[in-house]
Amino acid sequence: DIQMTQSPSSLSASVGDRVTITCRASQSIGTYLNWYQQKPGKAPKLLIYKASSLQSGVPSRFSGSGSGTDFTLTISSLQPEDFATYYCQQSYSIPLTFGGGTKVEIK
Amino acid sequence: QVQLQESGPGLVKPSETLSLTCTVSGGSISSHFWNWIRQPPGKGLEWIGYIYYSGGTNYSPSLKSRVTISVDTSKKQFSLKLNSVTAADTAVYYCARGGLLTMLGEGLDSWGQGTLVTVSS
Repeated sequence: DIQMTQSPSSLSASVGDRVTITCRASQSIGTYLNWYQQKPGKAPKLLIYKASSLQSGVPSRFSGSGSGTDFTLTISSLQPEDFATYYCQQSYSIPLTFGGGTKVEIK
Repeated sequence: QVQLQESGPGLVKPSETLSLTCTVSGGSISSHFWNWIRQPPGKGLEWIGYIYYSGGTNYSPSLKSRVTISVDTSKKQFSLKLNSVTAADTAVYYCARGGLLTMLGEGLDSWGQGTLVTVSS
């Protein structure tokens, strides 16, 4: 199985801050990396697919980058509705695997 | 816009079989890969498996011996059965839509709201 490691596991930030979350795969996965946002009591929502493609309807302040084993999710200017937990997920091989999550909290 | 809705018992006894159904509306089930994912309370996401509309399946190796996913295209439903459950199977179970022609390289773009299943006597 491909292990996905996210860092940090949590962070505190203020509205307007630039936030960066990293995800590392245990082996190269090309650009087969997806990012999700999950709010408490809700299902995850796809934000970014194939490392850098913005899912339809997702605000442009979200962006993704990376390839191989190292990936980044960036929120350019954090908004109140962005406080949530973010997960990366590889779709390079079965079983699909997720990172442990990064909780973005209000500072 | 496609919508997914999980249904099934919220309480299952240890050693019994967990059975859930996901109903697809607002779109066709006769395309795409259809997935099950679970999330234990306060923990992260675990992929369980998928089924293609034509019936092909793939399961997580850690659950493969206990899992069956099936599809009924006439009812626009796909189902999950997990047998010999223990307390470790207590989780919110989600159904989700995957890629159109492949799961590899694709994200899970539509999710059900999730249903909590508790394993307890």
